Amino acid sequence: EVQLVQSGAEVKKPGQSLKISCEASGYSFTSYWIAWVRQMPGKHLEWMGIIYPGDSDTTYSPSFQGQVTMSADRSINTAYLQWSDLKASDTAMYYCARGDGSGTYLYSFDYWGQGTLVTVSS
Amino acid sequence: QSALTQPASVSGSPGQSITISCTGTSSDVGSYNLVSWFQQHPGKAPKLMIYEVTKRPSGISNRFSGSKSGNTASLTISGLQAEDEADYYCWSYAGSRTVVFGGGTKLTVL
Repeated sequence: EVQLVQSGAEVKKPGQSLKISCEASGYSFTSYWIAWVRQMPGKHLEWMGIIYPGDSDTTYSPSFQGQVTMSADRSINTAYLQWSDLKASDTAMYYCARGDGSGTYLYSFDYWGQGTLVTVSS
Repeated sequence: QSALTQPASVSGSPGQSITISCTGTSSDVGSYNLVSWFQQHPGKAPKLMIYEVTKRPSGISNRFSGSKSGNTASLTISGLQAEDEADYYCWSYAGSRTVVFGGGTKLTVL
């Protein structure tokens, strides 16, 4: 059974750093993409970027380029999303999702994590 | 990349059919048969309902169907049920390993 299990909710202050995780199981971690998706309170889904754990190849949405860093540790089947300088506007639910694709094409996001709520407040 | 355009809300009575549209551009929806639809209940993670325009993942009811014409994709739900009430998002591949979501549609079952 494919599962993506995300780390727990976080409460941080502006300016702090944060790294959240997404642990995959039930499939070959290095053969699928991992996408990160933001959902601000009461708002729609926003694609942040994707990482291919097989070689850590990464593509960021222009809206998030330079704002976050995606990484993956193949030894423990875990993907990460991190911030070095949190802002109140980073308050949101963050989802990881498995991306099915081939070459440069992405076919869909077929399995999703349960989400990690990040609250940034002074 | 701008979000794909969806109606903010749609509604229907149990047993009826509804259709949600998703309008993109020739750079995303119009260029690729790689459109997906996700269902999201309040407080829950999104769930894949349709992929590659018309395909249903295992376990998804055949009451859900997808189509595309030009730059607009559509999700149709037939035989509307109370549990279908949720937010629905479309998604399209947009080239160079990028994707774009729609703004979401709130479905109300009357």
